[in-house]
Amino acid sequence: KQEVTQIPAALSVPEGENLVLNCSFTDSAIYNLQWFRQDPGKGLTSLLLIQSSQREQTSGRLNASLDKSSGRSTLYIAASQPGDSATYLCALDTHAGGTSYGKLTFGQGTILTVHP
Amino acid sequence: GAVVSQHPSRVICKSGTSVKIECRSLDFQATTMFWYRQFPKQSLMLMATSNEGSKATYEQGVEKDKFLINHASLTLSTLTVTSAHPEDSSFYICSANPGQGVGDTQYFGPGTRLTVL
Repeated sequence: KQEVTQIPAALSVPEGENLVLNCSFTDSAIYNLQWFRQDPGKGLTSLLLIQSSQREQTSGRLNASLDKSSGRSTLYIAASQPGDSATYLCALDTHAGGTSYGKLTFGQGTILTVHP
Repeated sequence: GAVVSQHPSRVICKSGTSVKIECRSLDFQATTMFWYRQFPKQSLMLMATSNEGSKATYEQGVEKDKFLINHASLTLSTLTVTSAHPEDSSFYICSANPGQGVGDTQYFGPGTRLTVL
């Protein structure tokens, strides 16, 4: 059974700082990995999706990496802003027998606070 | 991008009543939708996979007779919480995938906050 762990559970940084969020998983037979953002009481916004064959993806100030061999992914946020404050979730689409079912296993999330 | 809506966004009901939550894909068709539940300060947990035209498949520990899922069309899945109790109070979120393959980006609805008194 896939288990996903995110570290740290919470992070508070001053505006402008670069930061790294970590996600580790136990089953490397994944189809893809996604990073999501969740604002309080809201749904999820997909930030980046890394396919199993890829090592990283970038979008603006965000960069996500994937290392299946070590069971790790990191989300790098450059020049953080107060608007980045939210909960960040990583989720894995774990496949069996080469078939993805689209079912995601989520980590517990990292609560990020960026203060002015 | 693809849009998934949910209705209602918030519902408060008395214990013992049934509540229906709708999940719609607004600009694409989805043969498969997923229902997740999120308790306070916890992450999302998959409840069931909703399959258009066939029975839903439930994750271990989720009561299929309590959480009824109907995927009657390619753009609508409904989750009915039957005889709701306070322990069913949670944030329910659906997701759908507009791609040809189920391994593509999942788009999530805004969620429904259920409070059972």
